[in-house]
Amino acid sequence: DTEVTQTPKHLVMGMTNKKSLKCEQHMGHRAMYWYKQKAKKPPELMFVYSYEKLSINESVPSRFSPECPNSSLLNLHLHALQPEDSALYLCASSQEEGLANYEQYFGPGTRLTVT
Amino acid sequence: GESVGLHLPTLSVQEGDNSIINCAYSNSASDYFIWYKQESGKGPQFIIDIRSNMDKRQGQRVTVLLNKTVKHLSLQIAATQPGDSAVYFCAENSGGSNYKLTFGKGTLLTVNP
Repeated sequence: DTEVTQTPKHLVMGMTNKKSLKCEQHMGHRAMYWYKQKAKKPPELMFVYSYEKLSINESVPSRFSPECPNSSLLNLHLHALQPEDSALYLCASSQEEGLANYEQYFGPGTRLTVT
Repeated sequence: GESVGLHLPTLSVQEGDNSIINCAYSNSASDYFIWYKQESGKGPQFIIDIRSNMDKRQGQRVTVLLNKTVKHLSLQIAATQPGDSAVYFCAENSGGSNYKLTFGKGTLLTVNP
């Protein structure tokens, strides 16, 4: 299984809502990532988890809260978002092993619209 | 700041032709480069990688060339097919960590039947 799954595929939320994005992989990867991608732009790294511990936070606003409940799951909790947060949110995973971390497997993403 | 960029934002080719997608990078400390393919509605997909101690690496119908002298990376796709239509991103490990990739702007490849 070389698949990273993400749910939901699409999400529309208001600025006062609380929602969560979910990501799952069963490749035994111990590094997991959240990226944000605006239209016609490259992915931008948000968070990295290594062995279920937060390793990198790219100065992301606190209205985005990541969580890694176990080695297969990664969540992104959303609260009080702004319209400019509308984007494609991509989850990725990689083996936690040197250069193999750069070979990242991406999910299809969640298309988020904040109204 | 240092970044990975592309010479051509769009490329249109005929089916069966060879495609060449170019990428310029500016961080001489980068030692690992990757090409990703992103089809519409999907996440990026790893295509091929190359380490800085190599000049060329071949995969199935794809070849990556690295010219460290001019800091240039290219992806060659042989016998381009309609399924190759996508946005192609080059990426480099310039972030100073084991996880960070710096992505280029992307090139949209359109294959005409």
